[in-house]
Amino acid sequence: QVQLQQSGPGLVQPSQTLSLTCAISGDSVSSNTVAWNWIRQSPSRGLEWLGRTYYRSKWYVDYAVSVKSRITINPDTTNNQFSLHLNFVTPEDTAVYYCVRDSSGPWGRGTLVTVSS
Amino acid sequence: DIVMTQSPDSLAVSLGERATINCKSSQSVLSSSNNKNHLVWIQQKPGQAPKVLIYWASTRESGVPDRFSGSGSGTDFTLTISSLQAEDVAVYYCQQFYSIPFTFGLGTKLEI
Repeated sequence: QVQLQQSGPGLVQPSQTLSLTCAISGDSVSSNTVAWNWIRQSPSRGLEWLGRTYYRSKWYVDYAVSVKSRITINPDTTNNQFSLHLNFVTPEDTAVYYCVRDSSGPWGRGTLVTVSS
Repeated sequence: DIVMTQSPDSLAVSLGERATINCKSSQSVLSSSNNKNHLVWIQQKPGQAPKVLIYWASTRESGVPDRFSGSGSGTDFTLTISSLQAEDVAVYYCQQFYSIPFTFGLGTKLEI
């Protein structure tokens, strides 16, 4: 059974970098059949897909245009996990962030990240 | 971007009755390469993370009760709960994974 364990701070100061990690058990970040996504949810934006990474003989990433200039998603094959880094955050980036395996899940438990000084 | 439009916004159904939720995409999510609809239905119970109920528009995830069913193709999809149980109170979302960016409907709040 695949499980995703999220970690990272719940409070980030404006203009700083939001960093979250998603540890995978029961699957491999290097799997050549699935993709690993970050999605966030807020009352103002609803559910918003941020980006994904996946391996198909080499690594690929896709990002949402809305965050493309600020986002990085990295796989970590050593620790079988993947990470999200979102730079120059503002209060509008306050949301619950989820890591999600492919389209069929599972979803991580979510991390509420508040951007505030 | 593909816009996903759900209806209704909210729905109240009696226990044991049928609930039907609709989802319409602004363009087809049927892939010609695999002849599958790239659409999932997601359930989010209060205070919990979302959970995928149905993928490929009509395939139930393992462990999902068979009272949940998905149908439709192309741009029009339906989630049906055949006999509503108390534990089905949740917000239900459709999501397309046909093209980047993957997009979601705004959700349908299902109440008893």
